[in-house]
Amino acid sequence: EPEVTQTPSHQVTQMGQEVILRCVPISNHLYFYWYRQILGQKVEFLVSFYNNEISEKSEIFDDQFSVERPDGSNFTLKIRSTKLEDSAMYFCASRDDGEKLFFGSGTQLSVL
Amino acid sequence: GENVEQHPSTLSVQEGDSAVIKCTYSDSASNYFPWYKQELGKGPQLIIDIRSNVGEKKDQRIAVTLNKTAKHFSLHITETQPEDSAVYFCAASTTGRRALTFGSGTRLQVQP
Repeated sequence: EPEVTQTPSHQVTQMGQEVILRCVPISNHLYFYWYRQILGQKVEFLVSFYNNEISEKSEIFDDQFSVERPDGSNFTLKIRSTKLEDSAMYFCASRDDGEKLFFGSGTQLSVL
Repeated sequence: GENVEQHPSTLSVQEGDSAVIKCTYSDSASNYFPWYKQELGKGPQLIIDIRSNVGEKKDQRIAVTLNKTAKHFSLHITETQPEDSAVYFCAASTTGRRALTFGSGTRLQVQP
């Protein structure tokens, strides 16, 4: 069964460093998302991406965040200068033209 | 924006019993309501969804009901099994704003 793949599964970084989280969405999907989940809290929407541009973003997704689809398969989330409060599980998700959203297994980001 | 409230936060049942998780939403324009199951260390997995033009949907041991007037929807799991133990999230979205707003999650523990 097709699935959303995320790498790495765990990322440890120092405060102020840049990190790039990588995702390979399901191959025929058109809409791509990043969500995050701080430990023990609800899953929060960050950004959606369609047709090579951001279609929607939340207030969490400030200037420190950016997304890119550098080729036909990868979808990345970059955090330019990480803060302690960026520590969370980051989930990539994708869907086709329908409504069903499929999530990857996540990248656990720890900012020290 | 949309706000989704979910209850209870934890639920413990005996194997074979039924489990019910309830959610309310605030935005009357919301028209798509998925439920996700999240196992430890994994991403949310879609288990069932319902659209606002349907009042109830069933898939084997799980069912979802929707009351548009009251703006609440519920997940029902019958004949629970230990492998049903996980965190369950409800979510809501509207056509045109497909980003999901999640509830805070319910940790279901099925005691053998």
